[in-house]
Amino acid sequence: SAVISQKPSRDICQRGTSLTIQCQVDSQVTMMFWYRQQPGQSLTLIATANQGSEATYESGFVIDKFPISRPNLTFSTLTVSNMSPEDSSIYLCSVELGRGDTQYFGPGTRLTVL
Amino acid sequence: GQQVMQIPQYQHVQEGEDFTTYCNSSTTLSNIQWYKQRPGGHPVFLIQLVKSGEVKKQKRLTFQFGEAKKNSSLHITATQTTDVGTYFCAAVNQAGTALIFGKGTTLSVSS
Repeated sequence: SAVISQKPSRDICQRGTSLTIQCQVDSQVTMMFWYRQQPGQSLTLIATANQGSEATYESGFVIDKFPISRPNLTFSTLTVSNMSPEDSSIYLCSVELGRGDTQYFGPGTRLTVL
Repeated sequence: GQQVMQIPQYQHVQEGEDFTTYCNSSTTLSNIQWYKQRPGGHPVFLIQLVKSGEVKKQKRLTFQFGEAKKNSSLHITATQTTDVGTYFCAAVNQAGTALIFGKGTTLSVSS
């Protein structure tokens, strides 16, 4: 298994600002993912954070809005840029220990944009 | 794109009653995973099914993978208040690069 921490756990931000969310894993992992979960909804994959290369974004998500860094095998950041109230959501990072294997989720970051 | 359909969206039961959630895909799945998310919590892995017709049990929870590997179910016998939460099924996408989650079934239990 893997233990994952995220910072911040929650934040309230003003429209037009940006927030960077950090995800730290207690072991080296190849696959890290960022998800968004809007209130009462399922999880939507934003992107796969690739170590040493650009993230792979899912349809509907772009790098300018959600830049991702993955400087090493235990850490990643997701930035939510130029926020609007529609970005209010829970953002979760997850890791996969083996391809197609189970995923372990961080506790999430609850973002509210005013 | 690839979708995993899950029903029902909500289910309320009396404590002690059984509960089942169903997951369906139009394409054959390599495997199916089930997660539970407690209110205010994050998804926690429950189980992975890989083989056609596979059945696995965890105490009061029974997981099944269909013979055609296109559907799965989670059945809880004699629900307890600790079973409250949202149950998600998830399947690996066709590229094999990420999980696609169903919309989840939110279970509430009254005592």
